Amino acid sequence: DQQVKQNSPSLSVQEGRISILNCDYTNSMFDYFLWYKKYPAEGPTFLISISSIKDKNEDGRFTVFLNKSAKHLSLHIVPSQPGDSAVYFCAASADQGAQKLVFGQGTRLTINP
Amino acid sequence: DVKVTQSSRYLVKRTGEKVFLECVQDMDHENMFWYRQDPGLGLRLIYFSYDVKMKEKGDIPEGYSVSREKKERFSLILESASTNQTSMYLCASSLSTPGEFFGPGTRLTVL
Repeated sequence: DQQVKQNSPSLSVQEGRISILNCDYTNSMFDYFLWYKKYPAEGPTFLISISSIKDKNEDGRFTVFLNKSAKHLSLHIVPSQPGDSAVYFCAASADQGAQKLVFGQGTRLTINP
Repeated sequence: DVKVTQSSRYLVKRTGEKVFLECVQDMDHENMFWYRQDPGLGLRLIYFSYDVKMKEKGDIPEGYSVSREKKERFSLILESASTNQTSMYLCASSLSTPGEFFGPGTRLTVL
């Protein structure tokens, strides 16, 4: 049972435009959410996170939005740059002290010049 | 600079072999994790450890075991490798809050 789902395997966006990556979850116990970025032949790197007590967190070009009632989060990248081309994973944790993360399947983002 | 290293980037083994994947972190993190990444399935947790000599099963522990004799080192063992264990294996470590630092991964092929 996939508790964290990224329903779009791939996304293609023009350079300079906004990229929106989506993630849905089913477990209402999740209270902390993270986004990771992964280049080929490298491990994932942490991008941005949000606690369930917030509905938005911003860091430079990256903003994560959380809609708890819909069990949905999204990552906005604006403006998109060629270096943003990568696979993006969302992840969720139930009980911040538990440390375990549940990952989505990933979305491959391609930024076109 | 934060660092998680894995002993091999690429590994080819034969069915039935015992395989050791080593992971070392230099951040004095208590928590260490082993994941595997497969297309369309994302990252799935195999085992994790909160402290030296402690281990807990993740979501897909079957066919694997782990060892953590020192805080900085977490080993994943495939007791008898099978072709369905061909995958990318990722080690990670973290402090008390969620948010893990990942190593570069080991691409294992079992023939």
